Amino acid sequence: EAGVAQSPRYKIIEKRQSVAFWCNPISGHATLYWYQQILGQGPKLLIQFQNNGVVDDSQLPKDRFSAERLKGVDSTLKIQPAKLEDSAVYLCASSYGELAGGVLETQYFGPGTRLLVL
Amino acid sequence: AQSVTQLGSHVSVSEGALVLLRCNYSSSVPPYLFWYVQYPNQGLQLLLKYTSAATLVKGINGFEAEFKKSETSFHLTKPSAHMSDAAEYFCAVSDNTGNQFYFGTGTSLTVIP
Repeated sequence: EAGVAQSPRYKIIEKRQSVAFWCNPISGHATLYWYQQILGQGPKLLIQFQNNGVVDDSQLPKDRFSAERLKGVDSTLKIQPAKLEDSAVYLCASSYGELAGGVLETQYFGPGTRLLVL
Repeated sequence: AQSVTQLGSHVSVSEGALVLLRCNYSSSVPPYLFWYVQYPNQGLQLLLKYTSAATLVKGINGFEAEFKKSETSFHLTKPSAHMSDAAEYFCAVSDNTGNQFYFGTGTSLTVIP
């Protein structure tokens, strides 16, 4: 089974520029997550989708970050305009999203996109 | 709201020694708890998870963790460290719907030959 795919793997931009990241989850996974992992810290959940609907975006800086999952499969995370403090690894994860028999389905993570804002 | 605290940002053990990585949680509802491992330049991989079944959870690569409600802890252990265990380890918590997913700040494990 193919894993979670992300692109690009690396991106360097200047502050105030825009950037977009793409994620293709594992086939059949209804739930998709975007995380921001700043160097030396744990991943922070930015947004969680269930199919094409948003379940949780309470930690997404909505003045500059946006995300969409229009067809309930691929997702795009955008930053516009970027700030220096946005330098981080952006992780995408997916899961079936169902509580099967009370057991939470596991999240599978992609390799991440490493963003450097200069 | 849920949160986790990982005590010790860096842990060093000798090869063959016991590995103990500490995690304490705070949750207003019965939590689901997870341990993930992250190797350099790779994504996170699930080691094990607790979802209100058995309190002693066995994971991959010989790791296990015990959920102790009275201590609000979910420490990760492995009886004998291997060089390949050197990595960053993250404890995470969610509510019992799988939402409100929070990671700890991580513990970097070094294994000394």
